[in-house]
Amino acid sequence: SQQGEEDPQALSIQEGENATMNCSYKTSINNLQWYRQNSGRGLVHLILIRSNEREKHSGRLRVTLDTSKKSSSLLITASRAADTASYFCAIYNTDKLIFGTGTRLQVFP
Amino acid sequence: ETGVTQSPTHLIKTRGQQVTLRCSSQSGHNTVSWYQQALGQGPQFIFQYYREEENGRGNFPPRFSGLQFPNYSSELNVNALELDDSALYLCASSHQTSGAYEQYFGPGTRLTVT
Repeated sequence: SQQGEEDPQALSIQEGENATMNCSYKTSINNLQWYRQNSGRGLVHLILIRSNEREKHSGRLRVTLDTSKKSSSLLITASRAADTASYFCAIYNTDKLIFGTGTRLQVFP
Repeated sequence: ETGVTQSPTHLIKTRGQQVTLRCSSQSGHNTVSWYQQALGQGPQFIFQYYREEENGRGNFPPRFSGLQFPNYSSELNVNALELDDSALYLCASSHQTSGAYEQYFGPGTRLTVT
């Protein structure tokens, strides 16, 4: 079974708007990662946040982590049509990644 | 684009057949992990190979097996294919050092079992 659960399952926004995706998990973690997947192809690593970090930025991406609530969020600011993809959170556990179910983001031009 | 390659891109097999999928890891990486992704789901860990040995396995039956070669490339073999084996199979390479948590994924092999 999958550890992480993303919310919402699907999100549709207009270009220029912000997109927020949430991830909840069940166990203690060493780190949590976010990946992006275009059209059922390979996953691209976006950002890693360690358990002792609360917030991390990378370009238009902002990730937060609340270990007390076992949750993380990914914010994409000023979205573009090219951001249309599925986004997954993943927990690193004993050398393997445990993925959530993903959020499908659609950005309309 | 990562340096991880997979072959073939697409494959159609019949139930009961056997299939071999291949993965070349990124230069400098010594660990390969395989994942199965069913339609609309997140990837699920199958197993990992490090230094040619299986180094962890997910909840998959023994008919899923693998190999890693001295050049760190890898194969995933599935025997007695079932319809539920239809999925995108992803391999990911990484370097097994302290703090090497990030995995680099290949483009995947889409397997259809009819």
